[in-house]
Amino acid sequence: AQSVTQLDSQVPVFEEAPVELRCNYSSSVSVYLFWYVQYPNQGLQLLLKYLSGSTLVKGINGFEAEFNKSQTSFHLRKPSVHISDTAEYFCAVSEGGGSNYKLTFGKGTLLTVNP
Amino acid sequence: NAGVTQTPKFQVLKTGQSMTLQCAQDMNHEYMSWYRQDPGMGLRLIHYSVGAGITDQGEVPNGYNVSRSTTEDFPLRLLSAAPSQTSVYFCASRQRQGRTEAFFGQGTRLTVV
Repeated sequence: AQSVTQLDSQVPVFEEAPVELRCNYSSSVSVYLFWYVQYPNQGLQLLLKYLSGSTLVKGINGFEAEFNKSQTSFHLRKPSVHISDTAEYFCAVSEGGGSNYKLTFGKGTLLTVNP
Repeated sequence: NAGVTQTPKFQVLKTGQSMTLQCAQDMNHEYMSWYRQDPGMGLRLIHYSVGAGITDQGEVPNGYNVSRSTTEDFPLRLLSAAPSQTSVYFCASRQRQGRTEAFFGQGTRLTVV
């Protein structure tokens, strides 16, 4: 069964600092990986996704993530954060092959950007 | 382009009352699901459907019912509300392939008193 672990529940940073939000997954088969962002009182929207090919994936708002198969990780990074990046971030995994529909989420990381 | 629409946005129920949370999508997605979001727990899958007439349980199905009579609609029913069901509920849809992302509604904030 697939599972996702987000290693930090809260990450406070100062504006213009770099940030990394960590995500590890477990699965016995090939996977598709996603990062979603949730701004206060809103639904989830897709930041980026890894399906295949290049292990470095670029998303919206200057975020990028790197897929590392040997370490089963998919960490999210941004070189310089803004106040507007304050939100909760969710890592999610979907198993490849056949018709696997389920998306399993981590527990989320609250990123707080301080001035 | 509406995407996934959930109603209502907010609801207060008394213990024991029943209600239905509505979810509709206009993207012709086969797969639809309901999650609940609680602080520190992430999103937990309640029920899901892989097509009209087909539903199945997720990890936290107790106290909830679903049906899928059309591709577009996937309502979630609370049969007898309990305070433990106070949560934010999200409906999501995606194509019937693991490599596609899910699209989410804006959520329903439910309080059971």
